[in-house]
Amino acid sequence: GENVEQHPSTLSVQEGDSAVIKCTYSDSASNYFPWYKQELGKRPQLIIDIRSNVGEKKDQRIAVTLNKTAKHFSLHITETQPEDSAVYFCAASNWEGGSEKLVFGKGTKLTVNP
Amino acid sequence: DGGITQSPKYLFRKEGQNVTLSCEQNLNHDAMYWYRQDPGQGLRLIYYSQIVNDFQKGDIAEGYSVSREKKESFPLTVTSAQKNPTAFYLCASGSHHQETQYFGPGTRLLVL
Repeated sequence: GENVEQHPSTLSVQEGDSAVIKCTYSDSASNYFPWYKQELGKRPQLIIDIRSNVGEKKDQRIAVTLNKTAKHFSLHITETQPEDSAVYFCAASNWEGGSEKLVFGKGTKLTVNP
Repeated sequence: DGGITQSPKYLFRKEGQNVTLSCEQNLNHDAMYWYRQDPGQGLRLIYYSQIVNDFQKGDIAEGYSVSREKKESFPLTVTSAQKNPTAFYLCASGSHHQETQYFGPGTRLLVL
């Protein structure tokens, strides 16, 4: 089955710096890669996702890149702010139009220092 | 994801007791999922259901049971066979036409 590795497990940056979180996956058939943000005690919230037919996607300060050949994808946050502090999870699935099992990485705790 | 509710927010279980966690959604989603979250472990799939009256085991189903009698509801029972039930339990739902899963607010289960 699919296995998703996520690095680093913790990341501390200064406000205004960029943050990069990387994930690798094992199943070459995976074609959907979402990223979730989870604040302490709250539910995970989808912040961006990418499908395998796209190499990069941006949404304001957040971007995700996908390298299908190397089977890795990354989350990039620019101009970080203290409210970006949270745990971020990557996930992968093989979407077949009705059967989706997301496999999650173990998460990255991002701290943005003012 | 505001259309997914879980109750209770906190639940206390005594030794040998079965407890049931509620998950309801009004998003008309066909698929529903239960995840367990432990510190540093990410989210692990317990059970999932793609259609009413059908469900499949996930990666850590032992000690848990589910039912899917209605499209809107997917309750999870933590049985006495689950020896380490303390965790944060998250329910999610998704549409067959869209890959995205949306999460409920979670239930924190503690053992007395």
